Amino acid sequence: QVQLQQSGAELAKPGTSVKLSCKASGYTFTSYYIYWVKQRPGQGLEWIGYIYPGNGGTYYSEKFKGKATFTADTSSSTAYMLLGSLTPEDSAYYFCARGSPDYFDYWGQGVMVTVSS
Amino acid sequence: DIQMTQSPASLSASLGETVTIECRASEDIYSNLAWYQQKPGNSPQLLIYDANSLADGVPSRFSGSGSGTQYSLKINSLQSEDVASYFCQQYNNYPFTFGSGTKLEIK
Repeated sequence: QVQLQQSGAELAKPGTSVKLSCKASGYTFTSYYIYWVKQRPGQGLEWIGYIYPGNGGTYYSEKFKGKATFTADTSSSTAYMLLGSLTPEDSAYYFCARGSPDYFDYWGQGVMVTVSS
Repeated sequence: DIQMTQSPASLSASLGETVTIECRASEDIYSNLAWYQQKPGNSPQLLIYDANSLADGVPSRFSGSGSGTQYSLKINSLQSEDVASYFCQQYNNYPFTFGSGTKLEIK
């Protein structure tokens, strides 16, 4: 069955970076987009962008350009999102989701990132 | 960016009732719309795609309709397990955008 397993919670200091992972299983990793979505506690959903592991192509929402960087390792079927120059406004849950191709049919369990000094 | 205006923000209904959630896009999105359900503490789950197609495993009491800029999600025979937040999402244009969500509770 399709699964997206995300890495564990992160506690980071302002100005540093965190790298989140999303390990896919149960389908051909290179045939589907991986999207990333941000959700602040009790708030709505915010689309960050995507990576297409088949060719490494990426797209970033304007708001997250310079903030997020997507990569993918096809040998381990794992997608990554690097979040840099962290501020308290980056504290949120981050979800990866499989794109089919544009709506999200499977989601990871989410990972909480807390930015605090 | 396409703005998705979702209403109501919260909704309280009785078991067995029918409820409807609306989503209005700031421009025509040509039925490129999905609905998601997010239960407390969980990740969102796909309910509806292409405005009216039911995702695999989703109960038939959920249905979607609409076109152009106006879309709706209907839940028939409300069950206790339907307590959740519901979000619409357009995927007609980048950046994909979500509605602000509807929190559904049981009376």
